[in-house]
Amino acid sequence: DADVTQTPRNRITKTGKRIMLECSQTKGHDRMYWYRQDPGLGLQLIYYSFDVKDINKGEISDGYSVSRQAQAKFSLSLESAIPNQTALYFCATSDSQGYEQYFGPGTRLTVT
Amino acid sequence: AQSVTQPDIHITVSEGASLELRCNYSYGATPYLFWYVQSPGQGLQLLLKYFSGDTLVQGIKGFEAEFKRSQSSFNLRKPSVHWSDAAEYFCAVGLSNDYKLSFGAGTTVTVRA
Repeated sequence: DADVTQTPRNRITKTGKRIMLECSQTKGHDRMYWYRQDPGLGLQLIYYSFDVKDINKGEISDGYSVSRQAQAKFSLSLESAIPNQTALYFCATSDSQGYEQYFGPGTRLTVT
Repeated sequence: AQSVTQPDIHITVSEGASLELRCNYSYGATPYLFWYVQSPGQGLQLLLKYFSGDTLVQGIKGFEAEFKRSQSSFNLRKPSVHWSDAAEYFCAVGLSNDYKLSFGAGTTVTVRA
């Protein structure tokens, strides 16, 4: 089984709808991250969490919120989706000793 | 401002030929350096990393990268490309005590027969 899982893998939603993307990990890592990937822009950090009570904004947090329900779970919400949030979203984890990050398979979100 | 630059958006290479992908960074201190690969429909997989020590690092799948402090570069190389190396490659940079990574825009590699 994959160490970092994301659900759903694909989602199409309409403008104005609320949507939640979920991430779970079995690696036992404290740190979790949400990124969005747009063609030609690489990955941009949305939010990150170094433990359950520590949540921080990344480069592009506007329009997004997160919840760290447990060490293993980190959810990303779009309160009112808009078309320019159409992107590929990745969750990642890292342990407290290292800098390398381990990525989930991604969620492809389309907002119409 | 801190930045990570991958100058080549797209590279086409023949199977069996060598490959070099460029990465330059602009940071005040020597950062931690990574190369990730993203195959179509997949997440990102770590190819290799540099923290300190020997400036030539070996990674998985036959890849290597060389850190050159004087050029602020961390270029990725493979001597002989296989068709399965067709993917998008990302250079990433982190700073000591700052556990976030900054990614370059990526280089797409196409392998022709």
